[in-house]
Formats: sequence, C-alpha cells, structure tokens
Amino acid sequence: GAGVSQSPSNKVTEKGKDVELRCDPISGHTALYWYRQSLGQGLEFLIYFQGNSAPDKSGLPSDRFSAERTGGSVSTLTIQRTQQEDSAVYLCASSSQGGGNQPQHFGDGTRLSIL
Amino acid sequence: GENVEQHPSTLSVQEGDSAVIKCTYSDSASNYFPWYKQELGKRPQLIIDIRSNVGEKKDQRIAVTLNKTAKHFSLHITETQPEDSAVYFCAASRPDYKLSFGAGTTVTVRA
Repeated sequence: GAGVSQSPSNKVTEKGKDVELRCDPISGHTALYWYRQSLGQGLEFLIYFQGNSAPDKSGLPSDRFSAERTGGSVSTLTIQRTQQEDSAVYLCASSSQGGGNQPQHFGDGTRLSIL
Repeated sequence: GENVEQHPSTLSVQEGDSAVIKCTYSDSASNYFPWYKQELGKRPQLIIDIRSNVGEKKDQRIAVTLNKTAKHFSLHITETQPEDSAVYFCAASRPDYKLSFGAGTTVTVRA
C-alpha cells in the first residue's frame, strides 16, 4: 500500500508568515510523529499522536508551533510567524501501534525555507 | 526519559572493510532497538531491528548485537560497499513510550 505522504515537498516563505505542513500516514497506523531535521543534523522530536490520547507535545520548540490530527488520520503541523531558524526538513512518521516496539515509517519530508 | 548516545559521529572505511557503530541507552526498561539508514536527501529507512529477547540478529551484510546488562547495542556492516555510505541512526524505546534516536553516524565508504 501507499507509504507516508507529506505535502508540500518544498515550501519557501517569507519571515513572519504562517505555514501549514501536511502528513498523511499509512492507512491503519494509529501513531503519528513529527520530527525536524536541520541540515546535517539528527532527528529532533516535535510531537507524537497516539489514537485518541492527548498528544505528547514535549518537543515543540515554542508556542509558535502547533499540530493537529483530525479523525485519527491526517495531521497538520502549523508554524506561526516563521523565523529563519525554522528552516529545516520536517519529517512525519507513522507506526502501527503507539509507544515503542514498532517500526516507524517516514515520509519524504517537507523542506521549509524561510527567507 | 530515554537517552541514547551514538558513536562515532563520523566513520570513514575502505571499501570491503567492516564498519561498527555503537549506541548506549539509559532506560533499563527499553526493549526495542531499531536502526535507520538515511541516504543524502532521502527519508530515514529501517534497515534492521532487535528486541530484548535476542542478543544478535543478522541480515546479509548487516548485524546488530545487544547487551542488555551493559545497556549498549551495535550495528555491524561487513564487506562495505559505496552504497553503504549514508547517515545511520540508532534508536531505543520501552513498550509504552516513543522511540528516542541517537544523533547519527555519517558513514563514508572509500572506493
């Protein structure tokens, strides 16, 4: 079946604008994760959704970042009043169950550039 | 929470030689240890994983070993090839919590 799908693949915007990034997980996967990866760096955890539980937002770097997951499927990551340091690749991953013990399947990411 | 440390951060090997990447973890309750490979500009992809009920797992040229007592696990790549050049991430998790990733190892295979 289809893998994790992210859109847009690239986004260029001006500093101060809001952006929305979309993630479509693998069908049936209950867990969804957002990560940020700056150039040449590792995977920075942002937020984790599992079923109907309250999301784990412990990785969000500031209150300009928020995420929603509607109907237990598609997720949107929103960054308000973007700053140049927000430039990075934003990766989404899903897994068949929440918590650990299950492989995460990653999307191709959204490359965000803030001018 | 879980803390995963990964060494080395960069590794250069001659084609045909072996490469070894080591990770340590802090939470003794962790029982799942996957390894991901990320080629330049691509998504991370799972290459092998191991669970705490086994000490070693092998898949062709790739093997992972786990020492639960010492809380460390390692990735071994034998007979390295140019296509093995990538960033490798280890990770660890307990059943009721999310994966924690290491900082990554950039592997370069010299022809």
